[in-house]
Amino acid sequence: QKEVEQNSGPLSVPEGAIASLNCTYSDRVSQSFFWYRQYSGKSPELIMSIYSNGDKEDGRFTAQLNKASQYVSLLIRDSQPSDSATYLCAGRPGGNKLVFGAGTILRVKS
Amino acid sequence: KAGVTQTPRYLIKTRGQQVTLSCSPISGHRSVSWYQQTPGQGLQFLFEYFSETQRNKGNFPGRFSGRQFSNSRSEMNVSTLELGDSALYLCASSISDAVQETQYFGPGTRLLVL
Repeated sequence: QKEVEQNSGPLSVPEGAIASLNCTYSDRVSQSFFWYRQYSGKSPELIMSIYSNGDKEDGRFTAQLNKASQYVSLLIRDSQPSDSATYLCAGRPGGNKLVFGAGTILRVKS
Repeated sequence: KAGVTQTPRYLIKTRGQQVTLSCSPISGHRSVSWYQQTPGQGLQFLFEYFSETQRNKGNFPGRFSGRQFSNSRSEMNVSTLELGDSALYLCASSISDAVQETQYFGPGTRLLVL
């Protein structure tokens, strides 16, 4: 089993809809989790971090962590065309090493 | 605060050459991590430096090495370049390695090996 797994997509949603991005992880990367957004040709930028069970909200973004199911998700409400990007889920096995999933391509259609 | 800076931004080398990439972390950040991103393998961890000491290393051959200076600036070196080393090399900095600490990425150096 890969340490962090994501569906590569693409995930297509209409403008204004909720986009749901999912990620599963193995026992080895269970300390904390990060969602990064990467536009084509750019470097990853942090959207959310989460390390406790439950939900964490920041504006239009909500991260959810379920340690029992080893599952982390990112919800984007009121999706905009500018949200179209690759979303990277990362887990942290220890120290400052991040283990990334393959990324999910999100396309928001206007 | 200025973000993470990386130089050069683009580089073209030929097989067998070596290359040195530089990273300046955000002011006050003592940890610098390096990642390689390719279409086939995604984002992969290379190594991490904290206070001039390498603390973590990924599964890359010994041709990939790095170091960190007393001002937290870091360099990575790739010797005997191979075609497969063509990638985007990203540097990320953070204040510490606490569980909730975030890593911030620089713009990357795009390396093309011919």
